[in-house]
Amino acid sequence: EIVLTQSPGTLSLSPGERATLSCRASQRVSSRSLAWYQQKPGQAPRLLIYAASSRATGIPDRFSGSGSGTDFSLTISRLEPEDFAVYYCQDHGSSPRTFGGGTKVEIK
Amino acid sequence: EVQLVQSGAEMKKPGESLKISCKGSGYIFTNYWIGWVRQMPGKGLEWMGNIYPYDSDTRYSPSFQGQVTISADKSISTAYLQWSSLKASDTAMYYCARSPPLFAFDTWGQGTMVTVSS
Repeated sequence: EIVLTQSPGTLSLSPGERATLSCRASQRVSSRSLAWYQQKPGQAPRLLIYAASSRATGIPDRFSGSGSGTDFSLTISRLEPEDFAVYYCQDHGSSPRTFGGGTKVEIK
Repeated sequence: EVQLVQSGAEMKKPGESLKISCKGSGYIFTNYWIGWVRQMPGKGLEWMGNIYPYDSDTRYSPSFQGQVTISADKSISTAYLQWSSLKASDTAMYYCARSPPLFAFDTWGQGTMVTVSS
């Protein structure tokens, strides 16, 4: 079973700043199988990125994903007030379809 | 519009059984996997398992194998998650979500809160 470790646990930033979130896998993950989700309080998660770097429908281009092998990242180029949330990575290509523990992006 | 609509919140006692549902609409139900995800209070997302309604192929996370049962009725475009004997530790929000084969969860239900308390 692949284990996904996200870092940092919490990221404290100001609106307009750049956020870089990390997701490290215990074994190689196919680049076609790494996704990122955003979850706001009281809401269901929302798909942001699939196949490591493809934005889902309707996702602003300030969100970008990159990486391969065991190291992946999500970058938010300029934080908007609505981007403060928890972000999860997921390996959706193997079974079980593990999630990372999440990174909370909070307002500094 | 693609939608997954889940059944309402439940309050149960330890030892009771429960079946919650997730109804899909706006797409061909049998062409997509339906997965279930647990989120305990204040915690992260945990993938429990999924089902392919076309042929009822079902996969479970080792952490949930034997603890829950996932099923689907394709005639009414509905997937289910059930427990035979609830525990207090089953208290959580449960989400269903759909995915094309080998793809990410692109649509999520609104969640069903399950509270187990004596």
